[in-house]
Amino acid sequence: GAVVSQHPSWVICKSGTSVKIECRSLDFQATTMFWYRQFPKQSLMLMATSNEGSKATYEQGVEKDKFLINHASLTLSTLTVTSAHPEDSSFYICSARKTRTGGETQYFGPGTRLLVL
Amino acid sequence: DAKTTQPTSMDCAEGRAANLPCNHSTISGNEYVYWYRQIHSQGPQYIIHGLKNNETNEMASLIITEDRKSSTLILPHATLRDTAVYYCIVVNSGGSNYKLTFGKGTLLTVNP
Repeated sequence: GAVVSQHPSWVICKSGTSVKIECRSLDFQATTMFWYRQFPKQSLMLMATSNEGSKATYEQGVEKDKFLINHASLTLSTLTVTSAHPEDSSFYICSARKTRTGGETQYFGPGTRLLVL
Repeated sequence: DAKTTQPTSMDCAEGRAANLPCNHSTISGNEYVYWYRQIHSQGPQYIIHGLKNNETNEMASLIITEDRKSSTLILPHATLRDTAVYYCIVVNSGGSNYKLTFGKGTLLTVNP
């Protein structure tokens, strides 16, 4: 299989502070990574597509200046929630795209639970 | 990407086979069928995917109808740890706009 890690697994912060979440593909290189958000009792919602060496592509309604994405290497993407507010409290999940014959596959990290007080 | 329809919930007895259906009647020729599952408070886990042929791996089997308009995920011997939300997703794998769109999925509850 393929392993994707996230750090931290959970974080509590004060309103107005910034929080950085790391996503790493541990045993494969990923030119593309994705960031999702999941609110309680809802499904995953794609926030943005992170491409190594280029700007991220954000989904409609996601503020790019608030959710900063950096994909500086083939194994690491970071999501920074700037000036976090209580409504940003959510479960943030990343995935990494592994290319292979017979259909590409996304492998997901364990998620980061963010609580903004 | 084609839309999928899944039952909201299903129950299965431990040790029995769990058969999870998915309808994707608008699937196009170059779209794959992917199955993921999400156990409570965890990230989704890849299970299996296929294009036309039936597929089997260590986790499950995927049966795709000949017209590709529906598929069934089979967990041959369900255990309590298989209780999760199962997502059927159709996507053009390898395309420049490749991304997964998660619906509501099927909540599978495996009962002792």
